[in-house]
Amino acid sequence: GIQVEQSPPDLILQEGANSTLRCNFSDSVNNLQWFHQNPWGQLINLFYIPSGTKQNGRLSATTVATERYSLLYISSSQTTDSGVYFCAVPPRRGSARQLTFGSGTQLTVLP
Amino acid sequence: SQTIHQWPATLVQPVGSPLSLECTVEGTSNPNLYWYRQAAGRGLQLLFYSVGIGQISSEVPQNLSASRPQDRQFILSSKKLLLSDSGFYLCAWSDTGTGVYEQYFGPGTRLTVT
Repeated sequence: GIQVEQSPPDLILQEGANSTLRCNFSDSVNNLQWFHQNPWGQLINLFYIPSGTKQNGRLSATTVATERYSLLYISSSQTTDSGVYFCAVPPRRGSARQLTFGSGTQLTVLP
Repeated sequence: SQTIHQWPATLVQPVGSPLSLECTVEGTSNPNLYWYRQAAGRGLQLLFYSVGIGQISSEVPQNLSASRPQDRQFILSSKKLLLSDSGFYLCAWSDTGTGVYEQYFGPGTRLTVT
């Protein structure tokens, strides 16, 4: 099956700093999702981004499907951005489109 | 709008006891449904998925089973829990009608087997 790798595994920032999280995948995809898992465990959808660039407030994401990677940018980070960030991809075919997750990036934003 | 519910939120069960976790989705019909587990650490592992009533696919052999008795209800069960079944269980759904398979997750159930 498809392999998904995320980097860095851990990231510590001072409030106000910017960061870039990376997601590499081993096969071509036609879908990719970014999630934020908050301290209570809830997985929050950030982006559904099979290709191109999307922005939502201080967050933006870019997927370059032909080169098999996606980037998540966080600007002017806040303490509430802390948590684990996951990317996930499904198989290209099949009716279930079940997700394979990367191992996540643990982000800590210090006040 | 669509919502997804899971219960219970937390559960402490002794080894060898049975398990039943429930997930329901509102505001959509014929969704794909999924059970994931997150063990200590970060990774999420797909356990089961379902594309319709009574249709269950298992991703990994294990002590657990799943059922889908109704269109928007997904149940995770075990006859006898093991210590290794401890973890955070997440249910998810995706819309099959639009061709966009974005998945949405429930709040999860934290299971501790003692």
